[in-house]
Amino acid sequence: QKEVEQDPGPLSVPEGAIVSLNCTYSNSAFQYFMWYRQYSRKGPELLMYTYSSGNKEDGRFTAQVDKSSKYISLFIRDSQPSDSATYLCAIFTGGGNKLTFGTGTQLKVEL
Amino acid sequence: DSGVTQTPKHLITATGQRVTLRCSPRSGDLSVYWYQQSLDQGLQFLIQYYNGEERAKGNILERFSAQQFPDLHSELNLSSLELGDSALYFCASSSTLNTEAFFGQGTRLTVV
Repeated sequence: QKEVEQDPGPLSVPEGAIVSLNCTYSNSAFQYFMWYRQYSRKGPELLMYTYSSGNKEDGRFTAQVDKSSKYISLFIRDSQPSDSATYLCAIFTGGGNKLTFGTGTQLKVEL
Repeated sequence: DSGVTQTPKHLITATGQRVTLRCSPRSGDLSVYWYQQSLDQGLQFLIQYYNGEERAKGNILERFSAQQFPDLHSELNLSSLELGDSALYFCASSSTLNTEAFFGQGTRLTVV
């Protein structure tokens, strides 16, 4: 079983839609969670960082963590074509010495 | 701009050769992570250093090695290169453990 699982998509939505991206993880000891956006062949860009259960909001982005279910989500409101990218969840494992990534979900926002 | 600098941006070399990739972390960041991303593949963790010491190893080949210097920059050395080593190599840095990690723009390695 992979430590972090993520649906690879692709996910296609119309402009203005609410997008929901999800990851599950296997180890209840995982405490620190991040979401990244990666445009084709570019460096991943950090979107959200959280370490507690519940919601964290930043502009159009909301990160949600449910530690009891070992489930994390990223919601994008009012999606734009410029949001078209691959979204990666990442979790610190091994005492913060290893950042493990999901495989990424490819998102396309269409006009 | 994340503040993490990787050089060179592009590298083309022949099989059997050795290359060195360099990473300058954000000012003050103690932790450096190296990742490999092959075409249409996810980010594969290679190795992590914290304040000059190796702290974690992933699926790093024996032909690959890394180090972090006293000024905190890091180098990834790839030797006896094979065609399959062609990939994007990213480094990331964080101020300490379990804090936000920021990525550089990567080095694109092509082995011919």
